[in-house]
Amino acid sequence: GAVVSQHPSWVICKSGTSVKIECRSLDFQATTMFWYRQFPKQSLMLMATSNEGSKATYEQGVEKDKFLINHASLTLSTLTVTSAHPEDSSFYICSAVSGGSYEQYFGPGTRLTVT
Amino acid sequence: AQSVTQLDSHVSVSEGTPVLLRCNYSSSYSPSLFWYVQHPNKGLQLLLKYTSAATLVKGINGFEAEFKKSETSFHLTKPSAHMSDAAEYFCVVTGGSQGNLIFGKGTKLSVKP
Repeated sequence: GAVVSQHPSWVICKSGTSVKIECRSLDFQATTMFWYRQFPKQSLMLMATSNEGSKATYEQGVEKDKFLINHASLTLSTLTVTSAHPEDSSFYICSAVSGGSYEQYFGPGTRLTVT
Repeated sequence: AQSVTQLDSHVSVSEGTPVLLRCNYSSSYSPSLFWYVQHPNKGLQLLLKYTSAATLVKGINGFEAEFKKSETSFHLTKPSAHMSDAAEYFCVVTGGSQGNLIFGKGTKLSVKP
């Protein structure tokens, strides 16, 4: 149980375009989902926290207009990188928490390359 | 504020020898602490967690960690390293009210044959 999937696992896009990454909890309802970013050989940095049906809470320094997060249902959250640039190239990881639990279940990550 | 410090960025051991990955934490309240492992191009896997129960926590793959409040430490150990243990290890503490996690910078474990 407690499986989180991400789609796509790897995406290449051209500079200036937008790309959407999906995060799904497959066998539980996720009241809260988190989005992290991981640069090569570095740790995970929390980007934002999203609760189903409400606006995401962004960490300091994260541009909310550039990284659009939508948590439309209890099993799906999406991260859209708008007008992507090469510096947005990174590994994006989501995690999900079920109601009343503290434990986060992580997706396998999405590698974004912007050319 | 909560934080974790992983004291070694890289640890190298020989196969069959003990592993020690060090982590110190800072928390304004009783924390929950975790160790995660990340193999190359793979997702994060939870090794073990401490949530104010037993201070010696046993995890998967023979790993264990001991919560020492007096030393604010949560070091990860394994008696005998295996080649498959080579990976990046993250010490993690719970953060704010929504349960977000704060990651240490990671320790890369190399295992020599």
